[in-house]
Amino acid sequence: QAGPTQPRSVSGSPGQSVTISCTGTSSDVGGYNYVSWYQQHPGKAPKVMIYDVSKRPSGVPDRFSGSKSGNTASLTISGLQAEDEADYYCYSYAGSCYVFGSGTKVTVL
Amino acid sequence: EVQLVESGGGLVQPGGSLRLSCAASGFTFGNFWMGWVRQAPGKGLEWVANINQDESAKHYVDSVKGRFTISRDNAKNSLYLQINNLRDEDTAVYSCATDSYHHLEHWGQGTLVTVSS
Repeated sequence: QAGPTQPRSVSGSPGQSVTISCTGTSSDVGGYNYVSWYQQHPGKAPKVMIYDVSKRPSGVPDRFSGSKSGNTASLTISGLQAEDEADYYCYSYAGSCYVFGSGTKVTVL
Repeated sequence: EVQLVESGGGLVQPGGSLRLSCAASGFTFGNFWMGWVRQAPGKGLEWVANINQDESAKHYVDSVKGRFTISRDNAKNSLYLQINNLRDEDTAVYSCATDSYHHLEHWGQGTLVTVSS
């Protein structure tokens, strides 16, 4: 099953906001409120930044926020910082299985 | 502190088999769904399989059905992935993770499986 589509890359200057989209279908993103977002730095394990569309785990800065409209989920990073430069993946329940998005590289200019 | 440590990866010929293990500590392993995720070199993440607490529910991505088997031993705090009939496209880092109500909360560092003749 093909996963949601994300932009290959997004970029912003320190302090700016960037938004990453995750466009799926009614069978995954649009069908359930079980979208999570993962940050992955090179050579490191992924880290959950958002779960259940918009909930933030303990310890994740409130600069990270999530939302969903229809078949598209979004991750917004406000007040971009150098350490936010990483790959980001959305992840959605798809009815007994799961799918990752294609991944987005965030570059801090 | 939650720790997940994978092992069992290596170089294997096409058609070969491996058994991956994931040793868990720092939490009550038997209370959690667990999952496997893989990442091919330079590529994105791919969900592979998950298993519930008592092994009564197991789910797989279509591309591994019939070749991969997920299992666990709660007494040993361990998760396993038996991978058979390996193909070139199975080359990846395989990571285990806690499956916490539809999101992957804790991750291991992964073990590399290389399929090559």
